Amino acid sequence: DQQVKQNSPSLSVQEGRISILNCDYTNSMFDYFLWYKKYPAEGPTFLISISSIKDKNEDGRFTVFLNKSAKHLSLHIVPSQPGDSAVYFCAASDNNAGNMLTFGGGTRLMVKP
Amino acid sequence: DARVTQTPRHKVTEMGQEVTMRCQPILGHNTVFWYRQTMMQGLELLAYFRNRAPLDDSGMPKDRFSAEMPDATLATLKIQPSEPRDSAVYFCASGPGTVALWRETQYFGPGTRLLVL
Repeated sequence: DQQVKQNSPSLSVQEGRISILNCDYTNSMFDYFLWYKKYPAEGPTFLISISSIKDKNEDGRFTVFLNKSAKHLSLHIVPSQPGDSAVYFCAASDNNAGNMLTFGGGTRLMVKP
Repeated sequence: DARVTQTPRHKVTEMGQEVTMRCQPILGHNTVFWYRQTMMQGLELLAYFRNRAPLDDSGMPKDRFSAEMPDATLATLKIQPSEPRDSAVYFCASGPGTVALWRETQYFGPGTRLLVL
């Protein structure tokens, strides 16, 4: 049973528009959430994170929103650029589990010029 | 530029053969993770080490997989015997193991793409 789910395997967006990637989780013990970005033939790289004490964290074009009551988080990319085309993984951590991360299945984002 | 390195980058082998994948964590990092990426399951955690000691390998098929850290600069993941269903990309990641462990970011290597025929 997947504790972290990304229900959209792919997303296509026009350059300059907003990309919204979604992630749902089931474990109420998760208290730290991260987004990783992965290009082909490379390992995932850390993009942005959010603690459960916040509901929003912004870093340049990237903003992560956390809705704890809905057990839902989303990553907004504004404006989207062709270089953002990659697979995005949502991950969650439980303070009691040390620094183990549980990953979602990933969403492939394609930004069209 | 500190990076996690993994060898080999690609491996093609026949069913039943032994496969060994190697990982060099970032110098000074004391947590190491092995993940497997498949189309169906995304990124699955296979094993987790802290200070070279295995903390969690519940995600690993015990009958054929083994993970070790012979020293602080080398982590290995071995499959014996390999099967076609083991075909996947295997990632190693390391982390600094700071006090606030739950906030830690993991740094991934480029992965080993394994194909078992």
